[in-house]
Amino acid sequence: NAGVTQTPKFQVLKTGQSMTLQCAQDMNHEYMSWYRQDPGMGLRLIHYSVGAGITDQGEVPNGYNVSRSTTEDFPLRLLSAAPSQTSVYFCASSSPSQGYEQYFGPGTRLTVT
Amino acid sequence: AQRVTQPEKLLSVFKGAPVELKCNYSYSGSPELFWYVQYSRQRLQLLLRHISRESIKGFTADLNKGETSFHLKKPFAQEEDSAMYYCALRRSGNQFYFGTGTSLTVIP
Repeated sequence: NAGVTQTPKFQVLKTGQSMTLQCAQDMNHEYMSWYRQDPGMGLRLIHYSVGAGITDQGEVPNGYNVSRSTTEDFPLRLLSAAPSQTSVYFCASSSPSQGYEQYFGPGTRLTVT
Repeated sequence: AQRVTQPEKLLSVFKGAPVELKCNYSYSGSPELFWYVQYSRQRLQLLLRHISRESIKGFTADLNKGETSFHLKKPFAQEEDSAMYYCALRRSGNQFYFGTGTSLTVIP
């Protein structure tokens, strides 16, 4: 099993550009989440999903969109990138049957200039 | 508001010394708490959870509801324990609140 995979690993955007961060998991987990990691701020929940077709906002959803059309995939979209979105982004998946243990991807380092 | 506080950003201890990483939380319901660890060049991974009441890699953590704390402890630190540690609270479903993290350095 590959677990949770994220692409790309690194990305540089200019202000106003759009992009999609990809996340996929092969563990058949019902739950998936997106976090951003910033120095001194820890991990903050952006959006999460409890199943295909169901998404909800976390702590810091502004500027981001998500969708969950399949159990495996949970892409994060930045519609108009801003320098404040410079961060490391982590995707995670979990299942209630495994005690909600979060399985994290390797992260995407995004820089917005 | 549900929050997790880790007061120490950096913590250095000598090899063989005891280590304690502090975590305090505020939550109106029944808390479910976790410790996650990120070793250099590795993914963030679960270290332990309070429900399991287990010891992982010599680490233990006890939930103290009176003090609203979930401190992580190890009696004898090892060099391989150097890592970033995050305390996390599961609010409901898949909603997790993470602390700001503590970077532990074990000095040889």
